[in-house]
Amino acid sequence: SQTIHQWPATLVQPVGSPLSLECTVEGTSNPNLYWYRQAAGRGLQLLFYSVGIGQISSEVPQNLSASRPQDRQFILSSKKLLLSDSGFYLCAWRTGYTGELFFGEGSRLTVL
Amino acid sequence: AQKVTQAQTEISVVEKEDVTLDCVYETRDTTYYLFWYKQPPSGELVFLIRRNSFDEQNEISGRYSWNFQKSTSSFNFTITASQVVDSAVYFCALSEYSSASKIIFGSGTRLSIRP
Repeated sequence: SQTIHQWPATLVQPVGSPLSLECTVEGTSNPNLYWYRQAAGRGLQLLFYSVGIGQISSEVPQNLSASRPQDRQFILSSKKLLLSDSGFYLCAWRTGYTGELFFGEGSRLTVL
Repeated sequence: AQKVTQAQTEISVVEKEDVTLDCVYETRDTTYYLFWYKQPPSGELVFLIRRNSFDEQNEISGRYSWNFQKSTSSFNFTITASQVVDSAVYFCALSEYSSASKIIFGSGTRLSIRP
């Protein structure tokens, strides 16, 4: 069966520090991968999505970036965190263009 | 461009009442997919239903039902005889076939069921 893991689960970082959140999917090939952010009490904002290795579509042109070095690995990064980067980050996957998304457990980031 | 609007930010009802969560979407595509997700206090997102644009039949699953109306671009979700365990944030989402794999979500509706 397919599973998705993301880590770390919780992160507290100072402003200006770097960030790396990692997500891996098991049990499927060539998944479409997604990063969403949920600010406190807010909705889900699509940050990046990827339909293949090295293919990244960005929805948020801020200080975040994403990479997909392997088929089932999706990484969210920042060189310098801002206070506004605090939130709940969710990785998700699906196969093809029509199915539902399956979400990871989420990573809660607090920037101080 | 695709857009999903959930105008109800928060809803609070007493247990056993029926409640309807509204979802209005915008798209230029004729082929698209709509979804509902539940986010309980634990934070994980739970998939509830998927509907494609060519299937306007209403769906019922236990106490949950969904009303898809293309004429009003709405995909509303009704919980019958609500229970405390239904308390969660509910999200509606849209995926356009022409936008490859992009899926966008509404801002969510926080539902509180009071005992």
